[in-house]
Amino acid sequence: NAGVTQTPKFQVLKTGQSMTLQCAQDMNHNSMYWYRQDPGMGLRLIYYSASEGTTDKGEVPNGYNVSRLNKREFSLRLESAAPSQTSVYFCASRALGTYGDTEAFFGQGTRLTVV
Amino acid sequence: AQTVTQSQPEMSVQEAETVTLSCTYDTSENNYYLFWYKQPPSRQMILVIRQEAYKQQNATENRFSVNFQKAAKSFSLKISDSQLGDTAMYFCAFMKHGWSGAGSYQLTFGKGTKLSVIP
Repeated sequence: NAGVTQTPKFQVLKTGQSMTLQCAQDMNHNSMYWYRQDPGMGLRLIYYSASEGTTDKGEVPNGYNVSRLNKREFSLRLESAAPSQTSVYFCASRALGTYGDTEAFFGQGTRLTVV
Repeated sequence: AQTVTQSQPEMSVQEAETVTLSCTYDTSENNYYLFWYKQPPSRQMILVIRQEAYKQQNATENRFSVNFQKAAKSFSLKISDSQLGDTAMYFCAFMKHGWSGAGSYQLTFGKGTKLSVIP
């Protein structure tokens, strides 16, 4: 059982380049999330998708776009990378349980450096 | 919007001793969940313990327990018999319960506490 899989695990971009971070989960979860982690800042929510077909902005959405391709996949796109987007990015997913919500499961993270 | 505050950026504890990590949160909600996640140097986020706000009993998981004070909006994590493998960043997190409007599905994290267990 793979859980939440992120690709790539590491990436170096030049300023102005674009790229897409991929995330897939095999747990049949409804909700998916993208976070960024910076030293001293904890995890900050970029975008989330409560269910297939919906996406919403989180705390720090500027410079990013997302696509909920299907129930399994949720991608994050940087259209024109900036050094301020150097960070570790985490994808997470969560089910809506019968008796309420459940905890989130995380991918291994993507370390992105923009030079 | 909900906020989560962890006031201790770094802590250390001797192996086999007990340590308590603090977390406070701000919300107007009555039904919600609270979590503690652990992030070791491997970077993987691992759920340590969860607490449903409607439950008065504090959650426990082996050496890990919480002190949940709903009125004070406090959710501290106690680690007993600390082990070297407990060295990690610990994040407190908040989530609204259910399908109740804006922010229903958001999981909000504190800035973390870096815990070092000293041999």
